[in-house]
Amino acid sequence: EIVLTQSPGTLSLSPGERATLSCRASQSVTSNYLAWYQQKPGQAPRLLIYGASSRATGIPDRFSGSGSGTDFTLTISRLEPEDFAVYYCQQYGSSIFTFGPGTKVDIK
Amino acid sequence: QVTLRESGPALVKPTQTLTLTCTFSGFSLSTSGMCVSWIRQPPGKALEWLARIDWDDDKYYSISLKTRLTISKDTSKNQVVLRMTNMDPVDTGTYYCARTPILPNYGMDVWGQGTTVTVSS
Repeated sequence: EIVLTQSPGTLSLSPGERATLSCRASQSVTSNYLAWYQQKPGQAPRLLIYGASSRATGIPDRFSGSGSGTDFTLTISRLEPEDFAVYYCQQYGSSIFTFGPGTKVDIK
Repeated sequence: QVTLRESGPALVKPTQTLTLTCTFSGFSLSTSGMCVSWIRQPPGKALEWLARIDWDDDKYYSISLKTRLTISKDTSKNQVVLRMTNMDPVDTGTYYCARTPILPNYGMDVWGQGTTVTVSS
């Protein structure tokens, strides 16, 4: 199965700052089928990005995804107060899906 | 509007079998390319994908849990059922179902609110 590694584990930033989150796969992700999800405490995850770079419906354009093969990045251009949460990457290029361990973005 | 709702017992005993039901609306599992996944999350830990069932009844399971899981669907009732055998306290957590369209391939685009399961004697 494809193992995903996310870095950093925690990112401490202030509102208005730029956040850059990394996701690395143990092998190439087929067709760049890599998604990013946001999860806030007590809530279900929400799809932000699919296909490595396409924003899901209703997702603000301050969220962007990039990358291909084994290295992917989620960028939040200017952090809003509601963006402080945990972010997971997930690959769905193989029939066995896997998630990364998550990156927590907290307020500095 | 697409919605999914998980249901099942809040408490199960060790060694018992857990049966969870995902009831959905706003889409059909008989539509080509449509799938439903199950995902779980232990308290304070990361998400773990468990299983997926496709419109054509293909089924896929987590490698580490494959021997304990069975996923099935009832298209007429808009339900997907997950069974997990030999439950253990480490299986405690929140269990989610999510719509998973693969044609085109959008990832898991709509999630249920989750159901909490505690494994304890």
